[in-house]
Amino acid sequence: DGGITQSPKYLFRKEGQNVTLSCEQNLNHDAMYWYRQDPGQGLRLIYYSQIVNDFQKGDIAEGYSVSREKKESFPLTVTSAQKNPTAFYLCASSKMNMNTEAFFGQGTRLTVV
Amino acid sequence: AQSVTQLGSHVSVSEGALVLLRCNYSSSVPPYLFWYVQYPNQGLQLLLKYTTGATLVKGINGFEAEFKKSETSFHLTKPSAHMSDAAEYFCAVTRTGGGNKLTFGTGTQLKVEL
Repeated sequence: DGGITQSPKYLFRKEGQNVTLSCEQNLNHDAMYWYRQDPGQGLRLIYYSQIVNDFQKGDIAEGYSVSREKKESFPLTVTSAQKNPTAFYLCASSKMNMNTEAFFGQGTRLTVV
Repeated sequence: AQSVTQLGSHVSVSEGALVLLRCNYSSSVPPYLFWYVQYPNQGLQLLLKYTTGATLVKGINGFEAEFKKSETSFHLTKPSAHMSDAAEYFCAVTRTGGGNKLTFGTGTQLKVEL
């Protein structure tokens, strides 16, 4: 079945450590996205990529980094510079057309202690 | 910049009653609008979308939404609520700049009571 796979589902890290969240899609989508979800704030865009080896900052990119070495993969690194990293992280992918929907993974819940 | 406002962070209805979740958008260009549903600790699933054409859009699970340009609204409705509809619902609008970057509302938590 085609879809988006995020791993792990739950992640615990100590403060000050970098951590990488995995996102893989087999939908042959060109565009991929990372969103952060906090209670009562909806989803906010962290980074997005429309083509391999290229990506752009979203609204809250500070403290995060990404790479897009393969069309299928868009990992997100939460660095120690992110002041409040505990959140639910959602990866999505879509075709490039603006009128098509985005498909979401099941999310990774990151808790920093 | 495009934005969406969802009125009511929590809505409670009785099973069998009408569900109405409100969404207003702000966009300088004709928008593409979406409603997504999220169950606890899961990703988002598309309920329905408006792009062009018919302003009354039907989606999955008996939901529908009407695009009203004059009111800049895209409210989500379902004639009869079911217990399985309890979830969080997000309205979203496509942002300019290519691809499908979305601006989301803050979400509405729907509770369905017996």
